[in-house]
Amino acid sequence: EAGVAQSPRYKIIEKRQSVAFWCNPISGHATLYWYQQILGQGPKLLIQFQNNGVVDDSQLPKDRFSAERLKGVDSTLKIQPAKLEDSAVYLCASQGNNEQFFGPGTRLTVL
Amino acid sequence: QKEVEQDPGPLSVPEGAIVSLNCTYSNSAFQYFMWYRQYSRKGPELLMYTYSSGNKEDGRFTAQVDKSSKYISLFIRDSQPSDSATYLCAMMKAGNTPLVFGKGTRLSVIA
Repeated sequence: EAGVAQSPRYKIIEKRQSVAFWCNPISGHATLYWYQQILGQGPKLLIQFQNNGVVDDSQLPKDRFSAERLKGVDSTLKIQPAKLEDSAVYLCASQGNNEQFFGPGTRLTVL
Repeated sequence: QKEVEQDPGPLSVPEGAIVSLNCTYSNSAFQYFMWYRQYSRKGPELLMYTYSSGNKEDGRFTAQVDKSSKYISLFIRDSQPSDSATYLCAMMKAGNTPLVFGKGTRLSVIA
């Protein structure tokens, strides 16, 4: 069974630029999460999808972050404009049988 | 008070030692308890998953949950250099809800 796929693996941008991350969950997993992991911290939830609907986006900074999962499979997370404090690893996870499986993450550096 | 507290270490042990990793939590609504292992520049990998209180063993790994004390532990027997990683505790209130993570404990097993 293929795992959670994410791309790109690394991204370096200047502040105020925009960036997008892509996630493909494990086949058949209806629930998908985006987490942000700052260096030295545990991952923190940004947004949760169930199929193509948003379940929880209470911790998403909506003035600059957006996410979608239009067909209930792949998802994209966008930041526009980026700030220095957005430097982090962005992790996508999908859930089956109460277990969450993580992708390798996208490491974002904002200069 | 953070919802989940975890000593970040670092923790350094000799090969073959028994390792004990712990987390405390404040929210009695948590029902599912996980331990993830995260190697450098990789996504978190699910190691152990426990529902409610009790013990669970898988090879060299044992997870314990004491809900009365709001305390969870992971024991690693006969530790190996390949166990060197960051160990994250995580918990959730119900199935299909977001995980809340500790900061992670960085473990080094010295050959």
